[in-house]
Amino acid sequence: GDSVTQMEGPVTLSEEAFLTINCTYTATGYPSLFWYVQYPGEGLQLLLKATKADDKGSNKGFEATYRKETTSFHLEKGSVQVSDSAVYFCALGNMYSGGGADGLTFGKGTHLIIQP
Amino acid sequence: NAGVTQTPKFRILKIGQSMTLQCTQDMNHNYMYWYRQDPGMGLKLIYYSVGAGITDKGEVPNGYNVSRSTTEDFPLRLELAAPSQTSVYFCASSHGGRDSYEQYFGPGTRLTVT
Repeated sequence: GDSVTQMEGPVTLSEEAFLTINCTYTATGYPSLFWYVQYPGEGLQLLLKATKADDKGSNKGFEATYRKETTSFHLEKGSVQVSDSAVYFCALGNMYSGGGADGLTFGKGTHLIIQP
Repeated sequence: NAGVTQTPKFRILKIGQSMTLQCTQDMNHNYMYWYRQDPGMGLKLIYYSVGAGITDKGEVPNGYNVSRSTTEDFPLRLELAAPSQTSVYFCASSHGGRDSYEQYFGPGTRLTVT
């Protein structure tokens, strides 16, 4: 079945540092890829998405490019802020996975801590 | 818009007790979902619904039941609570179709079964 693997956390960075959170996936067909963010005490929010190979999703200074050749969707930000501290989930949605389920397949999440 | 609301926020159950987790959305979304999030793990789909009167099992449905009598509400029922059901439960909704994967999440219900 489909699966998502992302780097383990916590990841601790200083403010204004460059961020990369790695995400790779296994899926049949042509999944859509997503990054969701969960701030403390809240539900998940969609951060960005890409629906086909070579698409780049971007939002709030974060970017991720759908790389089919390496089955990856790494999240990057050039200069992180304390307010970016949260848990980040890589996820995929795949209408080709069969079974009828229409939900997302999530990675385990990466806890990001930004220190002033 | 309130978005997706869930009640209660926290609950402690004894083994064998029953309860219903409530979920309501005011975005007129057709699709609704229930996920559980265990510590250090991603979310896993319990049940989903593509419209009023239509529900289907996700990856981990055992021990749960759902109903969808209206577009707005999608309650999750635990009949005989077990310690393995200790988790954080998230309800989500989406427009469906090609936008079904852009899901809007509620704040979650933290359930402890002892």
